[in-house]
This record gives sequence, structure tokens and C-alpha cells, in this order.
Amino acid sequence: ETGVTQSPTHLIKTRGQQVTLRCSSQSGHNTVSWYQQALGQGPQFIFQYYREEENGRGNFPPRFSGLQFPNYSSELNVNALELDDSALYLCASSPAQGAGELFFGEGSRLTVL
Amino acid sequence: AQSVTQPDIHITVSEGASLELRCNYSYGATPYLFWYVQSPGQGLQLLLKYFSGDTLVQGIKGFEAEFKRSQSSFNLRKPSVHWSDAAEYFCAVSNAGNNRKLIWGLGTSLAVNP
Repeated sequence: ETGVTQSPTHLIKTRGQQVTLRCSSQSGHNTVSWYQQALGQGPQFIFQYYREEENGRGNFPPRFSGLQFPNYSSELNVNALELDDSALYLCASSPAQGAGELFFGEGSRLTVL
Repeated sequence: AQSVTQPDIHITVSEGASLELRCNYSYGATPYLFWYVQSPGQGLQLLLKYFSGDTLVQGIKGFEAEFKRSQSSFNLRKPSVHWSDAAEYFCAVSNAGNNRKLIWGLGTSLAVNP
């Protein structure tokens, strides 16, 4: 059984640029959630996708957007990057019938200069 | 407002000693409660969860946690710590629905002395 995989693992961008982060969900999981974890903080919920539709969003501006594909993989896009967007971005998948348990990838470390 | 508080930012214990990590939550509805562990360069791994029933739950790696509704607490315990337990520990809460939005504490960093 393949776990949650994320790419890239590390990347550096400059302020104002755009970034796309990718996530492959665990086999059999159709729900993907994205979290932002700043240094020294707990993760913050960005949004969740279920069957290609956004299904819940945290307190993040519209320049944070996402997609889910028919194979349940997902992308997180961030436009007009700001310095405060520097963080570890975590993807988690879960089975639709699972009661709250998330399975996390190792994250994508974004640095904005 | 919904929140999770982990009062201890950093804890150091000796190998073989017992461990208790504290977690308090503020949540209007019936909470689902979780403990996750994050090692350097690794993703978050679920240690244990509480949904209902027996308030003492057993998890992986010898960890257990006890849900105390009267104290709004869900403290994590281990009777004998191993050096490999050094990591960041996060307590999280979600509602009983299906949107899987977790609210997280700031984490407790555990160091283990040989």
C-alpha cells in the first residue's frame, strides 16, 4: 500500500511568484486535506477536497487555491507569494468513511525570499 | 472559539522515565481527539485517537491517553520513554462530522537524555 506522497520536498521562490505543490493520496482514499505548518507552530487547515470539490476551507485568502483530480491526487496553488507563506505544507488523505483519521505526507518545505 | 492548548513547549526526560504530555481543549460539541507525532524530516504519524467509549485509549509505540471531559483534557502518557521517542508531539481536535478539519495545539518538543 503506497502512502501519501508530496512533491517537491523543498523549493525556494521569491515574493510575488506563484507555486504549485502536488500530492498523491493513499490508495483507496478519496479525501485530501492541505495544512500549512509555520516554523514552531501547529498545522493550520487550508482546505479539503472530496470527489474533486472543495469541502471546507480555513482562514486563508483566495490566492490559496486547489484542485483534486479524478484519481484523487491534488494540487495546492499559491499566487502572489508573500514572505509569510514560508512554511511546511502538509497534505493528508483519508478514506471517505473514516472517522477523522488523517494520513500525512512528509510535506513540501517552501521558502519565500 | 475552538482551541487546543499544549502548556509545555519543551520537555526533557531521561530514558526509562515516565512521560506525560498535557493537552487541554476548548470545543463546543463532542470532540474527536488525536495525538500525532512528528519526527525531523518525517510527516505526522497518528499515535492514538478518541471518539467515544472507554476514556483510556491505547496507541502505538506504547503510548496511551486518557480523556477527561470534566477537565477538558486528553493527556498523553508513556510508562518508560525510549531515546527514539524524541520528537514533536501534537494534540488535535475535530468535530464528529466528516470534514476532517483538525484544530491543532502548538506542539510539545520532547528531548530524551541517555
